[in-house]
Amino acid sequence: DQQVKQNSPSLSVQEGRISILNCDYTNSMFDYFLWYKKYPAEGPTFLISISSIKDKNEDGRFTVFLNKSAKHLSLHIVPSQPGDSAVYFCAASGAGNNRKLIWGLGTSLAVNP
Amino acid sequence: DADVTQTPRNRITKTGKRIMLECSQTKGHDRMYWYRQDPGLGLRLIYYSFDVKDINKGEISDGYSVSRQAQAKFSLSLESAIPNQTAFYFCATAPATSGTDTQYFGPGTRLTVL
Repeated sequence: DQQVKQNSPSLSVQEGRISILNCDYTNSMFDYFLWYKKYPAEGPTFLISISSIKDKNEDGRFTVFLNKSAKHLSLHIVPSQPGDSAVYFCAASGAGNNRKLIWGLGTSLAVNP
Repeated sequence: DADVTQTPRNRITKTGKRIMLECSQTKGHDRMYWYRQDPGLGLRLIYYSFDVKDINKGEISDGYSVSRQAQAKFSLSLESAIPNQTAFYFCATAPATSGTDTQYFGPGTRLTVL
């Protein structure tokens, strides 16, 4: 049973517009959430994270929003750039799973010029 | 210089062969992880180690073994490779107490078992 779900396998947006990537989780014990970006044939790269005590974290063009009551988080990229085209993974951790990261299956983002 | 390195980057082997994938890090992190990625299946944890004397199984450890030779080195072995072990393999590291659980990944090894 997947504890972290990314229900959209792919997303396509125009350059300059907003990209919104979504992630849902089922385990209420998760207390830390991360987004990673992955290019083909490279390792995942850490992008941004958020603690469960916050509802928003911003880093430049990237903002993560957390809605604990809905067990939902989203990554906003504004403005989107062609170099943002990659697979984005959502991950979660908590004391109950020995702080291991539990991963979603990823969303492939294509930013079109 | 890369903080987390993996060798080899690409390997083709035959069914039944023993193969070792190596991971080294210069980040000084205590925790190290081995993941496997298959298309459409995301990242799955094979083994992890919180320090040199600590080895733990992940969700898909069958058919694999690991060795933590030093704080900086964590090797993954396939004792007798089979075709369904064809995948990308990633090593990751994390500090013991950062309060963030952020892991840092190597560039990966593409393994093909014929």
